[in-house]
Amino acid sequence: QKEVEQDPGPLSVPEGAIVSLNCTYSNSAFQYFMWYRQYSRKGPELLMYTYSSGNKEDGRFTAQVDKSSKYISLFIRDSQPSDSATYLCAMNSGNTPLVFGKGTRLSVIA
Amino acid sequence: GAVVSQHPSWVICKSGTSVKIECRSLDFQATTMFWYRQFPKQSLMLMATSNEGSKATYEQGVEKDKFLINHASLTLSTLTVTSAHPEDSSFYICSASPGIYRNTIYFGEGSWLTVV
Repeated sequence: QKEVEQDPGPLSVPEGAIVSLNCTYSNSAFQYFMWYRQYSRKGPELLMYTYSSGNKEDGRFTAQVDKSSKYISLFIRDSQPSDSATYLCAMNSGNTPLVFGKGTRLSVIA
Repeated sequence: GAVVSQHPSWVICKSGTSVKIECRSLDFQATTMFWYRQFPKQSLMLMATSNEGSKATYEQGVEKDKFLINHASLTLSTLTVTSAHPEDSSFYICSASPGIYRNTIYFGEGSWLTVV
């Protein structure tokens, strides 16, 4: 089993839809969870950063962490064509290198 | 948010030559910097971790004599691809962390290297 599993998609949704992106992981020591957005041919941009379990909201984005299930999610409300990108989850236990998911390609169709 | 600048964005070089890519943290001191490689439609592959003032730690399978990393100051790390070959063509991305813990990591814009 890979340390971090992420469905690569592609995921195609109509504009205005609620998008749910997910990752599962196997290492129970992970405590720091991040979501990055990467546009084509660009470096990843940090979207959300969460420590331990719980929810965090920032505008149209909500990150959820369920450590008991080893499952994290990123929700995008009122999705826009500009949200079309690859979304990468990443996590670590603090003083270890980040472990990335493979990324989910999202297309929001106008 | 924090800004990490990477230069150049695009570079084409001849096979056998060396290329240097710079990574700068613009508004924080980066105790730790990371270098990644990314192939099309694939995730990031960590190449090495560098800590200011000490030698870089390379991941398994990465040739340290080919990919020279220098982290001489708290705001600058460089990656030099020596004796480049076409198979070294890739997207190279740096990232930086403001603390000793490897979270809250910010990425540069990436550098596309094409070796002809």
